[in-house]
Amino acid sequence: GESVGLHLPTLSVQEGDNSIINCAYSNSASDYFIWYKQESGKGPQFIIDIRSNMDKRQGQRVTVLLNKTVKHLSLQIAATQPGDSAVYFCAENSVDSSYKLIFGSGTRLLVRP
Amino acid sequence: NAGVTQTPKFQVLKTGQSMTLQCAQDMNHEYMSWYRQDPGMGLRLIHYSVGAGITDQGEVPNGYNVSRSTTEDFPLRLLSAAPSQTSVYFCASSSGQGISTGANVLTFGAGSRLTVL
Repeated sequence: GESVGLHLPTLSVQEGDNSIINCAYSNSASDYFIWYKQESGKGPQFIIDIRSNMDKRQGQRVTVLLNKTVKHLSLQIAATQPGDSAVYFCAENSVDSSYKLIFGSGTRLLVRP
Repeated sequence: NAGVTQTPKFQVLKTGQSMTLQCAQDMNHEYMSWYRQDPGMGLRLIHYSVGAGITDQGEVPNGYNVSRSTTEDFPLRLLSAAPSQTSVYFCASSSGQGISTGANVLTFGAGSRLTVL
């Protein structure tokens, strides 16, 4: 099926541990940052977003942290499960550029049983 | 509710051939877009549309044409395929309503893998 490339940075974690996936973004004017999850053979799926005036946002088992000083975004997954194995992308969106969503290159998360 | 449907899932072309990747959504979304995904890279925006009759270029538009005659459909045309267009193509849509108050959260199709020989 459709799959992402083979040369992505990979994070390997033990099932039950917490995972932290990092992303550096480029546009200091971006208003929103979004995390997507892409499983093998599927299109990306929305996980969580955060506005640029926030430092932290929590969802179900996931937390996104934003550090605008160093233009860094992270996704924390608590109690990682085998179903979390996927490629994770961060994306940025600016209100000025309206509908243009710019994606990072992705990180592959492997969960060891 | 089918969401975003892309066809075909797989296609092999020879250099110089033309083809159209189809994309349809049944969520009454105003905004639709096409991305390509290459190994080791994120998704790059090819073209997008903010409503029927309106299209615009993204980051990598060369070699591709689009049209938006209806809200539901947003086909991507390759007029003369080149090996550099070998990629996985994703169509995505969103309501766009939250664009000034929230992130543009896209719903993606399953993708179309295109190989140009």
